[in-house]
Amino acid sequence: SQTIHQWPATLVQPVGSPLSLECTVEGTSNPNLYWYRQAAGRGLQLLFYSVGIGQISSEVPQNLSASRPQDRQFILSSKKLLLSDSGFYLCAWSVQSRDTQYFGPGTRLTVL
Amino acid sequence: AQSVAQPEDQVNVAEGNPLTVKCTYSVSGNPYLFWYVQYPNRGLQFLLKYITGDNLVKGSYGFEAEFNKSQTSFHLKKPSALVSDSALYFCAVYSGSARQLTFGSGTQLTVLP
Repeated sequence: SQTIHQWPATLVQPVGSPLSLECTVEGTSNPNLYWYRQAAGRGLQLLFYSVGIGQISSEVPQNLSASRPQDRQFILSSKKLLLSDSGFYLCAWSVQSRDTQYFGPGTRLTVL
Repeated sequence: AQSVAQPEDQVNVAEGNPLTVKCTYSVSGNPYLFWYVQYPNRGLQFLLKYITGDNLVKGSYGFEAEFNKSQTSFHLKKPSALVSDSALYFCAVYSGSARQLTFGSGTQLTVLP
């Protein structure tokens, strides 16, 4: 069966510090991968998605970037965090774009 | 452009009563429709989906949803609510033209004992 991991589970970082969040998927090959941000416990904002190694599409211009160095690894990064980067970050995978997305447990990021 | 509306931010229901969480959508082309549930500080869990076929879709934990093409709705239902059903529920739609899943704003369901 497939599983998706995210770490760390929680993170508190000062403004201006770098960020690296990692997501890995097991039990499937060549998945579509997604990064979402959820602010204030509500709506989901799609940040990035990837259909293959090195292929990243950005949905919202911002302070963040994403990379996919391996087939089942998706990394969310920032060089300098802003207060507005605080939120709950969710990684998800699907077989194809139209298929069910399966979500990881999330990372709670607080920028102080 | 595709969109999803969840008109109720909050739904309260007594335990044992039927529950409905509403969702309407707008897409060009045939929709793929999904329901997810989120418990506090957790990721979203898939409940059910509609792609084609029978308009009544059955999913996990006793939930079901009815696809209504004329009303462009996909309401989530359960015959008898449990306190443990209290959570945040998201409706989502995918269409070929947009190529991405669009989520509604979420509905907080509270089941009162």
